[in-house]
Amino acid sequence: DAGVIQSPRHEVTEMGQEVTLRCKPISGHNSLFWYRQTMMRGLELLIYFNNNVPIDDSGMPEDRFSAKMPNASFSTLKIQPSEPRDSAVYFCASGFGGFYYEQYFGPGTRLTVT
Amino acid sequence: GENVEQHPSTLSVQEGDSAVIKCTYSDSASNYFPWYKQELGKRPQLIIDIRSNVGEKKDQRIAVTLNKTAKHFSLHITETQPEDSAVYFCAASMDSNYQLIWGAGTKLIIKP
Repeated sequence: DAGVIQSPRHEVTEMGQEVTLRCKPISGHNSLFWYRQTMMRGLELLIYFNNNVPIDDSGMPEDRFSAKMPNASFSTLKIQPSEPRDSAVYFCASGFGGFYYEQYFGPGTRLTVT
Repeated sequence: GENVEQHPSTLSVQEGDSAVIKCTYSDSASNYFPWYKQELGKRPQLIIDIRSNVGEKKDQRIAVTLNKTAKHFSLHITETQPEDSAVYFCAASMDSNYQLIWGAGTKLIIKP
């Protein structure tokens, strides 16, 4: 298995532009998590899905952020419009709910908004 | 809701010595406690975990202990090596959902 796949790995964009981050979870996993990591705020859970359904989006910072999971093998996190304070590393992680809660992280997308 | 506190935020130890990182949690319903290691520029990866029906678990040089009464758990690394330098995160979860509640992280520095 290739593990969790994220694209792009790096994104540099100008303030006001739309940014779309993509994630392909590990096949067979039924939970998917989007995290944001910065030096100041650490690792923050933005939203998580179970069986493609959003369960908790209380970590989404504001309406500029949205996430979708149209099927079990794909999810997107969109920021529109982007702002410099959105600069961070965004991780997607997947897991198999049940007895084992291990979350497998993707390599992350480093987003820079200028 | 659940809250996880982690201490210290930075820990510097001499190579070969032991390191201990401590976490406390607030919700007695939490029953799963993993530890993740994140090397510089890399993704977090699970290194060891423990469930609430176990008091201690070991895997080579690392061990985790859990005190349910006091609601705290600790990561112990013995005979530290340079490759142990990383940020370590503790977390807590419960059967009712799949969300991990994360500690703030501990930066472990191994001095040669």
